[in-house]
Amino acid sequence: DQQVKQNSPSLSVQEGRISILNCDYTNSMFDYFLWYKKYPAEGPTFLISISSIKDKNEDGRFTVFLNKSAKHLSLQIVPSQPGDSAVYFCAASGAGGTSYGKLTFGQGTILTVHP
Amino acid sequence: DSGVTQTPKHLITATGQRVTLRCSPRSGDLSVYWYQQSLDQGLQFLIQYYNGEERAKGNILERFSAQQFPDLHSELNLSSLELGDSALYFCASSTGQWYEQFFGPGTRLTVL
Repeated sequence: DQQVKQNSPSLSVQEGRISILNCDYTNSMFDYFLWYKKYPAEGPTFLISISSIKDKNEDGRFTVFLNKSAKHLSLQIVPSQPGDSAVYFCAASGAGGTSYGKLTFGQGTILTVHP
Repeated sequence: DSGVTQTPKHLITATGQRVTLRCSPRSGDLSVYWYQQSLDQGLQFLIQYYNGEERAKGNILERFSAQQFPDLHSELNLSSLELGDSALYFCASSTGQWYEQFFGPGTRLTVL
């Protein structure tokens, strides 16, 4: 039962253009969403997060959008740079109790940014 | 460098054996998390410890166990190993903002 899904295994974009990575979830109890980036031979690195009470959060070139009614979130990178090439994981969590700290990850999307 | 260290980097063993993976969290981090990344399952949460106590549990097999010691380092013990246990095992730590988990480089376990 995959509660967090990233349906696109890979995405290829040109340097300077927008990258849009998508993620869908099924568990309506999730109320905190995150994106992690992973380079080969390294662990995932936290990128940006969003609480369910918001629909948008920005941090520099990275923006996360949340559509609760559609149970969908997306990460936009503008402008994309070759150094952004990595695997991007969407993750979700409940607020408290036994969900505290427990992240449910999607399968990941490989982003390649071409110079 | 996230500040989280994991040893060993690679481990090759046989079915039926037992191994111990070690994790040292970032200085000051009280929470430690263990994740398993296999080819077909993606990153799966196993277990979380906070200051020595178990805080949350995922789909961790009964053959697996973990603990966090007074110096805050953690160990993940995997026993009666099966071929399907071959995976990357990540440790992460956090303090304050629980969701901003800092991951170590992982231990690659191969069971032959």
